[in-house]
Amino acid sequence: QKEVEQDPGPLSVPEGAIVSLNCTYSNSAFQYFMWYRQYSRKGPELLMYTYSSGNKEDGRFTAQVDKSSKYISLFIRDSQPSDSATYLCAMTQGSGNTGKLIFGQGTTLQVKP
Amino acid sequence: DVKVTQSSRYLVKRTGEKVFLECVQDMDHENMFWYRQDPGLGLRLIYFSYDVKMKEKGDIPEGYSVSREKKERFSLILESASTNQTSMYLCASSSWTGSQPQHFGDGTRLSIL
Repeated sequence: QKEVEQDPGPLSVPEGAIVSLNCTYSNSAFQYFMWYRQYSRKGPELLMYTYSSGNKEDGRFTAQVDKSSKYISLFIRDSQPSDSATYLCAMTQGSGNTGKLIFGQGTTLQVKP
Repeated sequence: DVKVTQSSRYLVKRTGEKVFLECVQDMDHENMFWYRQDPGLGLRLIYFSYDVKMKEKGDIPEGYSVSREKKERFSLILESASTNQTSMYLCASSSWTGSQPQHFGDGTRLSIL
């Protein structure tokens, strides 16, 4: 079993829909959680960075962490065709770590006009 | 903003050649990483370095080596390129604390013929 599980999709939604992307993990020591967006033929870019449980909002994006369930989510409101990309979750336990991140496989999202 | 620059976007080489992929970061980061990304397999860590002249094997180091002579530069070397090393190669960097996100370059799409 992988440490981080992420449904690869693809996920196809109409423009304006609310999108929910999710990851589950098995290591309860993880404390720092990230979401990356990767456009085709480009490198991943950091979208959201959160610590421990709770919500963080940035514009149309909300990252949610539920450590008790070992479950993280990324919500995209009013989705746009420009949101079409692959979204990767990543996480780490933090202190004492070498800086390595554990990545999900990525979910491919298509937002149709 | 953090900038991670990979020397080539596209590269075509022949089997048996020695191949060098270069990566430079401008944020004085201690940690640097090399990944390969293949469809259906996600990001796989090849090697990483947490200091000049220091290196650690990742999950798939076979057939690769690395060099870090200066803090800002991390090179990936394919000693004798093979067709199964055709892939997208991504370089990333992060600061020394174990909790920080990684910042990626735009990748090198390498084809071995």
